Amino acid sequence: DAGVIQSPRHEVTEMGQEVTLRCKPISGHDYLFWYRQTMMRGLELLIYFNNNVPIDDSGMPEDRFSAKMPNASFSTLKIQPSEPRDSAVYFCASTVGYTYNEQFFGPGTRLTVL
Amino acid sequence: AQTVTQSQPEMSVQEAETVTLSCTYDTSESDYYLFWYKQPPSRQMILVIRQEAYKQQNATENRFSVNFQKAAKSFSLKISDSQLGDAAMYFCAYSSYLTGTASKLTFGTGTRLQVTL
Repeated sequence: DAGVIQSPRHEVTEMGQEVTLRCKPISGHDYLFWYRQTMMRGLELLIYFNNNVPIDDSGMPEDRFSAKMPNASFSTLKIQPSEPRDSAVYFCASTVGYTYNEQFFGPGTRLTVL
Repeated sequence: AQTVTQSQPEMSVQEAETVTLSCTYDTSESDYYLFWYKQPPSRQMILVIRQEAYKQQNATENRFSVNFQKAAKSFSLKISDSQLGDAAMYFCAYSSYLTGTASKLTFGTGTRLQVTL
C-alpha cells in the first residue's frame, strides 16, 4: 500500500488567495483526520470524518476553513481567503475504526502564506 | 478534556546509550490508548509504540519500551542502544477508547532527541 498521500507537499501563496490541500487515505480505512502543526500550538486536530461524514469539526479555526470528503478515497481542506497565520504543516491521517486507533499519517503539506 | 504534557523540550543521548522521555497525561476516562510517535526531519509522523490502558504489561517494540503507570498517569518511553537514526522529535499522544470507533489524537508538545557520537 502506498500509505496516505497528500498533495501538494509545499504550497506558497499570497494572503487572500484560496488554498486547497488534498488527501488520499489508505484503502479500506474508514476514518480520516486533518491535523495542523505549528510552533505555537503544536499538533492539533481540525476535523475528522467517518465513512465520509464529518464527525467533529470543533477544531476548525473559523469559517475560512472548510473540509470535504466526497468519497472514501479523497478529502480536501480548503482555506479561503488565506492569511499569514494559516502558515503551518497540515497532516492528513487515516485509520480503521475497529482497531486500536493507530493513525497513519501522510507526509504533510507545508503551507506558507505571504 | 484530556491533556498531554511533555516536560522535556530537548534531550541528548550518546550513541549506544539509553534515554528515557517523559510524558504525563490527564484524563477522567478509565479506558484509552497511549502512543509515542516519532517525527524525523522529513516530518513524516511514524508510530513508535502504543499501549492500551487496560493492559498492565508494558509494551515493547525492539529497542523501544514504555513504563506505563496508570495511577500516576505517566507514560515514559525508553530507547535502548540509541542509534543516530533515532534523532527526531518524539510526541506522546492520547486517544479515547470507544468500542468499534476511532477518536482523535491529543498530542503533547514534543521532545527533541539528539543522538551524539
